[in-house]
Amino acid sequence: EPEVTQTPSHQVTQMGQEVILRCVPISNHLYFYWYRQILGQKVEFLVSFYNNEISEKSEIFDDQFSVERPDGSNFTLKIRSTKLEDSAMYFCASSRDRGFSGYTFGSGTRLTVV
Amino acid sequence: SQQGEEDPQALSIQEGENATMNCSYKTSINNLQWYRQNSGRGLVHLILIRSNEREKHSGRLRVTLDTSKKSSSLLITASRAADTASYFCATVGGFGNEKLTFGTGTRLTIIP
Repeated sequence: EPEVTQTPSHQVTQMGQEVILRCVPISNHLYFYWYRQILGQKVEFLVSFYNNEISEKSEIFDDQFSVERPDGSNFTLKIRSTKLEDSAMYFCASSRDRGFSGYTFGSGTRLTVV
Repeated sequence: SQQGEEDPQALSIQEGENATMNCSYKTSINNLQWYRQNSGRGLVHLILIRSNEREKHSGRLRVTLDTSKKSSSLLITASRAADTASYFCATVGGFGNEKLTFGTGTRLTIIP
């Protein structure tokens, strides 16, 4: 069964450093998403991406965050200057039809900012 | 309550028993989905029910949806130790609001 692949599975970074989280969505999906889950809390929407541009973003997704689809397969989330409160599990997801038939999530990247 | 709230927050049952989790939401939806998350791991899609459906089955899972009450339930029959996980409902709105909005989750523990 097709999978969404995320790398790395765990990243530790110092506060103020830039991090890039990587995702390879399912190849025939057109809609891509990032969600995050702070430990013990709800899964929260960050951003959706379609046709090489952001289609929706949450208030969490401020100027420190950016997304890119640098080639035909990768989808990345960059955090420019990490803060302690960015520590969370970050999930990438993809969908072929805006989620109306469901999403496929990756296994996540656990980001720890120290 | 917030969009997508599950109850109970935690549930412990004996292996072999049935587990029922409930979810309530506030706004209109296109569909509602249930996900499982093993501790510290990824989200696994379990089942999707559309707003014009009332009940859906998948293996040992049964989902109901009552749009008049804005609520859904997930029933896991004949539970197994491997079902121990957190279960989340998540809603998808209509066009223009397609993102998933997750609930708070139910932590299910199956006692062998």
